[in-house]
Amino acid sequence: AQRVTQPEKLLSVFKGAPVELKCNYSYSGSPELFWYVQYSRQRLQLLLRHISRESIKGFTADLNKGETSFHLKKPFAQEEDSAMYYCALSTGATNKLIFGTGTLLAVQP
Amino acid sequence: DSGVTQTPKHLITATGQRVTLRCSPRSGDLSVYWYQQSLDQGLQFLIQYYNGEERAKGNILERFSAQQFPDLHSELNLSSLELGDSALYFCASSALGAGQSYEQYFGPGTRLTVT
Repeated sequence: AQRVTQPEKLLSVFKGAPVELKCNYSYSGSPELFWYVQYSRQRLQLLLRHISRESIKGFTADLNKGETSFHLKKPFAQEEDSAMYYCALSTGATNKLIFGTGTLLAVQP
Repeated sequence: DSGVTQTPKHLITATGQRVTLRCSPRSGDLSVYWYQQSLDQGLQFLIQYYNGEERAKGNILERFSAQQFPDLHSELNLSSLELGDSALYFCASSALGAGQSYEQYFGPGTRLTVT
């Protein structure tokens, strides 16, 4: 079965601390992984996709097929990073997204 | 602004009623996706349309149906509403949807409250 697991509902860190939001997936084929962010009262926005291998707002994520993980990392958290982060999997056949349950990142001053 | 619009923003209705949620995709996008976000189920894919035709179905109840019109806007119809249908319903659009992976742009959502 295709599944995305985000084990942490809430991650609270202090400003300037490193951040790692965990994401594990279950899929037998070649997945495409995404991170979406939802700031307070705003719509979901794409943050990262694994095929682009880019860094957005200081965030990076590496697909580890051996560990079936796609953890989101940032070396120094900023208060404006506080938001809900969703990891999502696309199997490509239909482009539908399978979302994890999300992690609320709270960056304390 | 991603360009995907959804109406209405909020909807309050009673159990047993029927509602229609509307989505207009970004200009040029042929695919429309509907997702339901609830506290207990999280974000779940409901259904996808591509250029007017149903392309994929997810965890969509039989009481729910959708369609995509020639002008590419889409409507999600929810009938015989139950309290558990209260949720945020998102629409997303992308350029293509068959065998190619394109970014999905999300609308602001419609918050449905069933009382």
